Amino acid sequence: QKEVEQDPGPLSVPEGAIVSLNCTYSNSAFQYFMWYRQYSRKGPELLMYTYSSGNKEDGRFTAQVDKSSKYISLFIRDSQPSDSATYLCAMSGGGGTSYGKLTFGQGTILTVHP
Amino acid sequence: SQTIHQWPATLVQPVGSPLSLECTVEGTSNPNLYWYRQAAGRGLQLLFYSVGIGQISSEVPQNLSASRPQDRQFILSSKKLLLSDSGFYLCAWTGNAGELFFGEGSRLTVL
Repeated sequence: QKEVEQDPGPLSVPEGAIVSLNCTYSNSAFQYFMWYRQYSRKGPELLMYTYSSGNKEDGRFTAQVDKSSKYISLFIRDSQPSDSATYLCAMSGGGGTSYGKLTFGQGTILTVHP
Repeated sequence: SQTIHQWPATLVQPVGSPLSLECTVEGTSNPNLYWYRQAAGRGLQLLFYSVGIGQISSEVPQNLSASRPQDRQFILSSKKLLLSDSGFYLCAWTGNAGELFFGEGSRLTVL
């Protein structure tokens, strides 16, 4: 079993839809959770960063972490064609030897069509 | 602001040839630097990280090596490439909370 599971999709939605992207994980030591957006042939771009359980909102993006269920989500409201990309979840145990060592999901390919 | 540069952006090399990928960071001093590889259909895998000049830690035993000759320079190398070395190589530095900021990547195809 992988430490981080992410449905690779592909996911196709109409413009304006609410998109829900999810990851599950098995390592209870994970405390820091991130979502990256990666356009084709580009490096990943950090979208959201959260620590421990709870919600975080940034514009059209909301990240949720449920540590009791080992489940994280990214919601995109009013999706736009420019949101079409691969979305990667990532997580780590935090400081010390885990600093910067992220465990990534496989990525979900999202297409938002006009 | 901090920026990270990688080159070359694209590389096609024959099996058995050497490799050198370079990464430089601007706008910060003494950054922690990382090399990740993204293979087709797979997540990102940490290859090497460095906390300072000359300090390299390897996460995965393989055909590759890394060096950090200067504070803001990180180099990924191989003496003899294998087919399995093909992939998208990403250099990154860490923010204050351990989040990673990536460069644009170097796409390597070994034929």
